[in-house]
Amino acid sequence: EEQLVESGGGLVKPGGSLRLSCVASGFSISIYSMNWVRQAPGKGLEWVSSISSSSNFIYYADSVKGRFTISRDNAENSLYLQMNSLRAEDTALYYCARDETLVRFDPWGQGTLVSVSS
Amino acid sequence: DIHLTQSPSFLSASVGDRVTITCRASQDVSINLAWYQQKPGKAPKLLMYAASTLQSGVPSRFSGSGSGTEFSLTISSLQPEDFATYYCQQLNNYPCTFGRGTKLEIK
Repeated sequence: EEQLVESGGGLVKPGGSLRLSCVASGFSISIYSMNWVRQAPGKGLEWVSSISSSSNFIYYADSVKGRFTISRDNAENSLYLQMNSLRAEDTALYYCARDETLVRFDPWGQGTLVSVSS
Repeated sequence: DIHLTQSPSFLSASVGDRVTITCRASQDVSINLAWYQQKPGKAPKLLMYAASTLQSGVPSRFSGSGSGTEFSLTISSLQPEDFATYYCQQLNNYPCTFGRGTKLEIK
């Protein structure tokens, strides 16, 4: 079964940092683009960042540009999101999702919750 | 950025009803549009991609249509498990934006 499992979420103070991880099983991420998508409590889906299979192409939402860094380790079958200078509005459930190069996001992980509060 | 407008935001319907959700893009996205279903406490589930291609394992009562700027998702006969929130997403270019969602509730 193809599966994605996120981890690394938690409670952090404004201005703090967190590093999210997403580990894939049942498939190799090495040939796929990978993404982070977030969902604030009670709100809709917001795309955060994408990284191409060989890390040549990286994209960010304007809301996180300059603060978040996406990366991957194909050998470890893992995706990461380094989040710095966190703000209250970054509070959300963060999902990772596989992407067949702008065709479809599937599968998705179960999400990891990030709460930014003093 | 491409903005997606979903309508309606809320929809109340009964089991067996035929319902249609629309998604309008602020600029041409060709057929690069996907639909997702999300139930409370769960991750989004891919239903449709390339506007009208049914994802494997998704029931055939779901169908999608459209191209350019106008798209729709139709459920031909609502089943109890279909009551959820539905999102469209454009994948024509980055940022790959989502619509604000349509919550489908039981009448």
